[in-house]
Amino acid sequence: GENVEQHPSTLSVQEGDSAVIKCTYSDSASNYFPWYKQELGKRPQLIIDIRSNVGEKKDQRIAVTLNKTAKHFSLHITETQPEDSAVYFCAASRSGGSNYKLTFGKGTLLTVNP
Amino acid sequence: GAGVSQSPRYKVAKRGQDVALRCDPISGHVSLFWYQQALGQGPEFLTYFQNEAQLDKSGLPSDRFFAERPEGSVSTLKIQRTQQEDSAVYLCASSSGTSLGEQYFGPGTRLTVT
Repeated sequence: GENVEQHPSTLSVQEGDSAVIKCTYSDSASNYFPWYKQELGKRPQLIIDIRSNVGEKKDQRIAVTLNKTAKHFSLHITETQPEDSAVYFCAASRSGGSNYKLTFGKGTLLTVNP
Repeated sequence: GAGVSQSPRYKVAKRGQDVALRCDPISGHVSLFWYQQALGQGPEFLTYFQNEAQLDKSGLPSDRFFAERPEGSVSTLKIQRTQQEDSAVYLCASSSGTSLGEQYFGPGTRLTVT
């Protein structure tokens, strides 16, 4: 089955700096790669996703890149703010993710220091 | 519109008791997923429904776990003879089922087995 590795497990940055979280996956049939943000005690919320027919996607301060050949994808957050502090999870899925299970990484605890 | 809701939000059970966890998906969503999230870990897939059909139950950890969605909307996850290792947050997610649909998560049920 699919295996998703995520690094680093913790990341501390100063406000205004950039943060990068990296994930690798093993299943070459995976074609959907979402990123979820989870604040303490809250539900995971989708912040950005990418499908295997594109290499990069950007939404304001957040961007995701995908390298299908190497089977890795990354989340980039620029101009970090204290409210970006949370646990971030990457995930991978087949069939666009709507009709297939998500396999998650173990998460990255991001702390943005004011 | 209303998002995914789950009840109860918190459940404490003595070891050996049976529990039932409820999920109300977004109206009209055909796909419904259950995930288990242990403390400090990413969500792990348990089972998947498309309408009332349980298409994948490969993630259920034992035959003590049972899920149903009899009318293709509300779903119930039942755990029989609970054990301490069942303590976790149980997350439900729903999706439209279309090729571009994302999974929307509920707030989860935190189960503590004492």
